[in-house]
Order: sequence, then structure tokens, then C-alpha cells
Amino acid sequence: ETVLTQSPDFQSVTPKEKVTITCRASQTIGSSLHWYQQKPDQSPKLLIRYASQSISGVPSRFTGSGSGTDFTLTINSLEAEDAATYFCLQTYTLPLTFGGGTKVEIK
Amino acid sequence: EVQLLESGGGLVQPGGSLRLSCAASGFTFSTYAMGWVRQAPGKGLEWVSSISGGGGDTTYYVDSVKGRFTISRDHSKNTLYLHMNSLRVEDTALYYCAKQAAAGSLYYFDSWGQGTLVTVSS
Repeated sequence: ETVLTQSPDFQSVTPKEKVTITCRASQTIGSSLHWYQQKPDQSPKLLIRYASQSISGVPSRFTGSGSGTDFTLTINSLEAEDAATYFCLQTYTLPLTFGGGTKVEIK
Repeated sequence: EVQLLESGGGLVQPGGSLRLSCAASGFTFSTYAMGWVRQAPGKGLEWVSSISGGGGDTTYYVDSVKGRFTISRDHSKNTLYLHMNSLRVEDTALYYCAKQAAAGSLYYFDSWGQGTLVTVSS
């Protein structure tokens, strides 16, 4: 099983600050890493696919990078509506696995 | 617009059974792989099972549910199912139905339902 380790678990951030969330895979997964945003009492929403590919309708302040085992989700100029928990997902091998999540709070 | 509507959750005793359903619309159901992802209260996401699309209907499961859960789909009704037997307390979670981005099961989930809550308790 490919274990995804996200860091940090929690981040409290001021609006307009930059947020960086990392996801490390226990084995190489190429670029088969995707990012989701989940707001309270909502289902997850796809933000980034294949490490760095943008998704239609997602604000351009959300960007992804990385390959192999180390990946990063960056939120440039955080907005209040970005308060949520962020998860990574690998689809390189079964079982599909998710990271533990990073909760972003707005100060 | 893709819509996924889950139903069938509820309270069940340990060892009991439930069948979850997910009615799909807004896309060609048979083309895409579909999956179930669960989230225990206050916890993260866990992939449970997927079924391939494109006519294959091959099934895949996380080890913790193998032999107890069965995923299936009815193409005539555009509906995905999850039959859950021998339920355990640790199966308590919100179960999401999700559409995968292509026919194979090694694809990300691009649309999600709102979830149906399964509570296993005596």
C-alpha cells in the first residue's frame, strides 16, 4: 500500500498569505497525485489533477507541483473562502490512498 | 451536469447488512469507473471500492472490506450499489459515491455525491 503523509496537519493563516501543503508518498507514484478541498459538511472538490494540471473553474491561486514521491499544493494569496481541509489522493496503484488531510484555518 | 444521489444508509447492529445505492445522471454512466469512498466522523477519506467502466465491470476493494462488501452497477438504471454484510463498528462512516475520470479504476474522482451515513452500533 502506498502511504501518503501530508504536512502540516493544521495551519492558521492570515488572508493574502501564501499556503504550502506537502504530500509525501512512501513509494514513487509518478505524477498520479491529485488534490481535493473539503469544506465543512460538504463533499470533496477536485482542485488539481496529475500533480500540476489545473481544473476548470478552480481559482488560479491554487497550484500544484512535484513528481515521484514529493508533491506540493500552493495557495497563493489565501482568501477567507479557502478555509477547508485539503487532501491528496494517489491513483498510481491499488488500493487508492488518501493523505491524512491538512486543515487550513483563517486567522 | 453530473449528479450523484446516494441512499440506503442508516443504523444497523454489528453483523448486520445494508445496501447503499447511488443514482447517477448527467453523463454516460456505463463509460466511467465508479467508486465508494468513506469518511469516519471527524476523520479523513478512505477509498473502499471501485468498479470499472467501459463494459468491464471489474471490481476492486480495500483489504478491510474484502469478502464482506460487494460493489455492483445496473447500467439500465444508471445506479451504483454497495452491498455491505457482516458490518463492524469500524465501518461507521459517511459513504460517498464518486465518479472516476475514465473507464479504468486507476483514475481520480472528478464528481462526488453528498454521502449517506452508515452507523454500526448495538
